[in-house]
Amino acid sequence: GDSVTQMEGPVTLSEEAFLTINCTYTATGYPSLFWYVQYPGEGLQLLLKATKADDKGSNKGFEATYRKETTSFHLEKGSVQVSDSAVYFCALSDPTQGGSEKLVFGKGTKLTVNP
Amino acid sequence: NAGVTQTPKFQVLKTGQSMTLQCAQDMNHEYMSWYRQDPGMGLRLIHYSVGAGITDQGEVPNGYNVSRSTTEDFPLRLLSAAPSQTSVYFCASRGAGTQYFGPGTRLLVL
Repeated sequence: GDSVTQMEGPVTLSEEAFLTINCTYTATGYPSLFWYVQYPGEGLQLLLKATKADDKGSNKGFEATYRKETTSFHLEKGSVQVSDSAVYFCALSDPTQGGSEKLVFGKGTKLTVNP
Repeated sequence: NAGVTQTPKFQVLKTGQSMTLQCAQDMNHEYMSWYRQDPGMGLRLIHYSVGAGITDQGEVPNGYNVSRSTTEDFPLRLLSAAPSQTSVYFCASRGAGTQYFGPGTRLLVL
């Protein structure tokens, strides 16, 4: 079945450091890819998404590019802030596996940014 | 627009008790779903619904029942709670290719 693998955490950075969180996937079809963020005590919020190869999703300074050749969707930010401390989830939806309704999640990566 | 709402926020149950986790959305979305979140496991799909009167199982459906009598509401029922169901439960609804999540219900089964 489909799966998402993202780098294990936790990740601890200093403010203004560069962030990369790796995410790779396996899918039967041509999936859409997502990054969700979960701030402490809250639900998941969509951070960005990409629906086809070479698409770049971006939001709040975060970016991720859909790389079909490497089946990857790595999350990057050039300069992190303390307010970016959260858990980040990579996810996919595969139209050949129950349509675009079902999301398959990675295990999450906890990011802590210190001042 | 309240989005996706869930009640209660937190619940403690004893083994064998039953309860219903409530979920409602005001965005007129057809698709709704329930996930559970466990440490180190990410989120796993329990049940989903593509519209009123239609439900189907996800990855981990055992021990849970759902029904969808209206577009707005999608309750999740635990008929006989077990300690393995201790988790955080998230309801979601989908619109325009994006899933919107509720704030979650934290459930502790003793």
